[in-house]
Amino acid sequence: ETGVTQSPTHLIKTRGQQVTLRCSSQSGHNTVSWYQQALGQGPQFIFQYYREEENGRGNFPPRFSGLQFPNYSSELNVNALELDDSALYLCASSLAQGDNEQFFGPGTRLTVL
Amino acid sequence: AQSVAQPEDQVNVAEGNPLTVKCTYSVSGNPYLFWYVQYPNRGLQFLLKYITGDNLVKGSYGFEAEFNKSQTSFHLKKPSALVSDSALYFCAVSGYNDYKLSFGAGTTVTVRA
Repeated sequence: ETGVTQSPTHLIKTRGQQVTLRCSSQSGHNTVSWYQQALGQGPQFIFQYYREEENGRGNFPPRFSGLQFPNYSSELNVNALELDDSALYLCASSLAQGDNEQFFGPGTRLTVL
Repeated sequence: AQSVAQPEDQVNVAEGNPLTVKCTYSVSGNPYLFWYVQYPNRGLQFLLKYITGDNLVKGSYGFEAEFNKSQTSFHLKKPSALVSDSALYFCAVSGYNDYKLSFGAGTTVTVRA
């Protein structure tokens, strides 16, 4: 069984740029959630995708957007990067919509200069 | 709105001593409760969960947690701590069939030899 994988591991961008982060779900999982973990804080829910549609969203602006593909892999896109977007971005997959048990990937560390 | 409080930023114990990490929660309806552990520059690793049933939940690596509905608490415990248990621990809550986890700010556990 393959776990959740994320790419890239680390990324450095400058303010105003755009970034795309990628996630491959655990085998058999059709739901993916994205979280932002700022330094010294707990993860904050960004949004969830189920069967290629956004299923729920946290308190993040529209410049945070996502996609889920037919193979259940996912992307997180952030436009017009701000310094405060610097964080660890975590992807988590789960077996089904509403399934609370989520399996996390290792994360992508984004630094915005 | 659902939320979690972890009242201690840090917990320090000697190896071999009992370890307790505290968590209280707030959620509408019956809670789904989770503990995750995070090692430096890593994603979140699942330790255990409470959905329903016995108030004492046993999880990975010898950890257990006690659900107390009247005190809205879900404290993590380990009878005999190891140096390798030193890490950042997160408590999380979700409502029934909810799509997101709400995390606490985390508790750093240091186990000294």
